[in-house]
Amino acid sequence: SQTIHQWPATLVQPVGSPLSLECTVEGTSNPNLYWYRQAAGRGLQLLFYSVGIGQISSEVPQNLSASRPQDRQFILSSKKLLLSDSGFYLCAWSSGTGKYEQYFGPGTRLTVT
Amino acid sequence: AQSVTQPDIHITVSEGASLELRCNYSYGATPYLFWYVQSPGQGLQLLLKYFSGDTLVQGIKGFEAEFKRSQSSFNLRKPSVHWSDAAEYFCAVGADNDYKLSFGAGTTVTVRA
Repeated sequence: SQTIHQWPATLVQPVGSPLSLECTVEGTSNPNLYWYRQAAGRGLQLLFYSVGIGQISSEVPQNLSASRPQDRQFILSSKKLLLSDSGFYLCAWSSGTGKYEQYFGPGTRLTVT
Repeated sequence: AQSVTQPDIHITVSEGASLELRCNYSYGATPYLFWYVQSPGQGLQLLLKYFSGDTLVQGIKGFEAEFKRSQSSFNLRKPSVHWSDAAEYFCAVGADNDYKLSFGAGTTVTVRA
């Protein structure tokens, strides 16, 4: 069966510091991968998605970036965090050949102070 | 592009009572429809999905949803709620050849004893 991991689970970072969140998927190959953010009390905002290694689509212009160095690894980064980057970050995957139903990881709670 | 509206931001229901959450979608062709549940601090869990065929679909945790093309709706129901059903529920719509899902803003369900 497939599993998706995210780490860290929680993170407190000062404004201006860098960020690296990691997501890995097991039990499948060639998945589509996604990064979402949930701000407090708000819905899901799609940040990035990837349909293959090195292929990244950005949905929202911001100071975040994403990379996919391996087939089942998806990384969310920032060089300098802003207060507005605080939120709950979710990684998800979908089958590259299916109807694109998405399966979510446990999330990372980021607080920028 | 497809979109989803969840008209109810917050619903309170008594334990043992029935629950219905509304979802309306906008899409020109046959959509792929999903319901997800999110407990506080957790990732999203897929409850059920509709691709084609029988318009009444059964999901996990005793939930069901009915696709009504004439009303562009995909409402989620549960005959008798349990305190553990308190969570946020998201409806989502996808489409052929689109890797992304469009999520509604979510409905928060509170269960009172």
